[in-house]
Amino acid sequence: KAGVTQTPRYLIKTRGQQVTLSCSPISGHRSVSWYQQTPGQGLQFLFEYFSETQRNKGNFPGRFSGRQFSNSRSEMNVSTLELGDSALYLCASSEVKNTEAFFGQGTRLTVV
Amino acid sequence: GEDVEQSLFLSVREGDSSVINCTYTDSSSTYLYWYKQEPGAGLQLLTYIFSNMDMKQDQRLTVLLNKKDKHLSLRIADTQTGDSAIYFCAERDSGYSTLTFGKGTMLLVSP
Repeated sequence: KAGVTQTPRYLIKTRGQQVTLSCSPISGHRSVSWYQQTPGQGLQFLFEYFSETQRNKGNFPGRFSGRQFSNSRSEMNVSTLELGDSALYLCASSEVKNTEAFFGQGTRLTVV
Repeated sequence: GEDVEQSLFLSVREGDSSVINCTYTDSSSTYLYWYKQEPGAGLQLLTYIFSNMDMKQDQRLTVLLNKKDKHLSLRIADTQTGDSAIYFCAERDSGYSTLTFGKGTMLLVSP
């Protein structure tokens, strides 16, 4: 089985721009979660999607949004980028009632 | 609120055992996890333990859980240089599917 795939691996954007990151979960997994990892704050939960519905949301501003498609692939979008949005964005997938969450390699976003 | 704490750094010699410790505050945690992160990579799930268990062993890895003290540890036997990485402890609340992570422990294994 292929693992969790995140694209692109690296991105450089300018302040004020917007960005879209993509995550393809493991085949058969219907839950997708997103996390932001920074040196200062560590790993922080952004949101979780299941069957195209957002089930849970972390404490991030409305500039951060996401969605999930019928094939369970998920995208997250960050609008009006700020320097502080520079981070590694990680996606995790899990089965419906499985305790294990598997992570992708992440997308490294740099805002200049 | 929920909080997970870990020591920041551990240095061991190759062949020794490594013990990484973690404390958590959420008494409703159902599952506790250990993830490994190598430079430039994502998180690799190493093992997890259900909150009603005391111990779980998986090859070189042993997880110990003291639920009364809310203390979790990961022991790596016969530590190798390839084990050098950052190790994250995480908890999952019974009501949600999200994970709360510690800041990570950097393990450095010297030859």
